Amino acid sequence: GENVEQHPSTLSVQEGDSAVIKCTYSDSASNYFPWYKQELGKRPQLIIDIRSNVGEKKDQRIAVTLNKTAKHFSLHITETQPEDSAVYFCAARSGGGADGLTFGKGTHLIIQP
Amino acid sequence: DTAVSQTPKYLVTQMGNDKSIKCEQNLGHDTMYWYKQDSKKFLKIMFSYNNKELIINETVPNRFSPKSPDKAHLNLHINSLELGDSAVYFCASIRLLAGAQYFGPGTRLTVT
Repeated sequence: GENVEQHPSTLSVQEGDSAVIKCTYSDSASNYFPWYKQELGKRPQLIIDIRSNVGEKKDQRIAVTLNKTAKHFSLHITETQPEDSAVYFCAARSGGGADGLTFGKGTHLIIQP
Repeated sequence: DTAVSQTPKYLVTQMGNDKSIKCEQNLGHDTMYWYKQDSKKFLKIMFSYNNKELIINETVPNRFSPKSPDKAHLNLHINSLELGDSAVYFCASIRLLAGAQYFGPGTRLTVT
């Protein structure tokens, strides 16, 4: 089955700086890669996703890049703000979604004022 | 923000009891899931249901059983609860091939 590795487990950055979280996956059949943000006590919320036929996707301060050859994808957050502090999860899925998502172990992002 | 809802939000019970968690989605999705988030925040899929059929069942003890009365509901029944079952359980749903998966608010289960 799919295995997703996520690094780092904790990331502390100064407000206004950029943050990068990296994930690798093992199943070459995976074709969909979402990123979720989870605040304390809340549900995971989808913040951005990318499909395997796209190399990069941006949404305001958030971007995701995908390297299918190397089987890794990354989340980039620019101009970080205090409200970006949360746990971020990457995930991977193959097929149409029937198998559900395989998640990385999460990155605790801390924005220092 | 009630597209996927779960009840109860908190559940405290003793070892050996049987309990159920309910999930409903009003998004018209055709596939629903149950995930378990342990104390280390690791999210792992437990079950997937599509059109009332179980599609995937990870290595979950048979004390756990999903039940789907219709496409909009997927309930989780747990028999003979154990201390290790303490976790947050999230329901989620998706329209197959459409991509985005949406989570319910979670149920924090504490077994004493």
